[in-house]
Amino acid sequence: AQTVTQSQPEMSVQEAETVTLSCTYDTSESNYYLFWYKQPPSRQMILVIRQEAYKQQNATENRFSVNFQKAAKSFSLKISDSQLGDTAMYFCAFTGNTNAGKSTFGDGTTLTVKP
Amino acid sequence: NAGVTQTPKFQVLKTGQSMTLQCAQDMNHEYMSWYRQDPGMGLRLIHYSVGAGITDQGEVPNGYNVSRSTTEDFPLRLLSAAPSQTSVYFCASSYSRPAYEQYFGPGTRLTVT
Repeated sequence: AQTVTQSQPEMSVQEAETVTLSCTYDTSESNYYLFWYKQPPSRQMILVIRQEAYKQQNATENRFSVNFQKAAKSFSLKISDSQLGDTAMYFCAFTGNTNAGKSTFGDGTTLTVKP
Repeated sequence: NAGVTQTPKFQVLKTGQSMTLQCAQDMNHEYMSWYRQDPGMGLRLIHYSVGAGITDQGEVPNGYNVSRSTTEDFPLRLLSAAPSQTSVYFCASSYSRPAYEQYFGPGTRLTVT
């Protein structure tokens, strides 16, 4: 079974600064996908970024980028130029290729961006 | 496109009552899932479906039943509500490839007294 661990329950950052959220996972699968989702106070889950395990290049979406270390089973999210609207809970998620209907989520990191 | 819709948004039940949480999607997604989110915790998978007529258990299936008679609908039934089932419930759907993101409904906040 897969496990996803987010070791930082809460983090804060000043507006315009950079913050990195950590995620580690454990799996025996060789092909899989990793995601970061954002859950603002409205409770709506929104995809932030995704990474295919077979791609060595780290994914980037505007101010959001990941540092994917496959050997270390690490998948951190970097938010650059933090904005007040980035305040949310962030979840790391894993989906394996062998059972794509079943995803595993971490416990989340609550990020507060301070003005 | 309405996306993923869930009803009701809020519900209060007494211990022992039963109810069905409704979930529907209009994106023709093959996969659908139910999660629960307890305070300060992540999403835990209750049941999931990879297509009409096919369902399977997730991490925390006890006390819940599902069925999937159509591609669009995936209701979650609480058989005999218990206070431990007080939670926020999310339904999600996706295409049938692991690369595809899940689309989430707005959630149902359930309180069992």
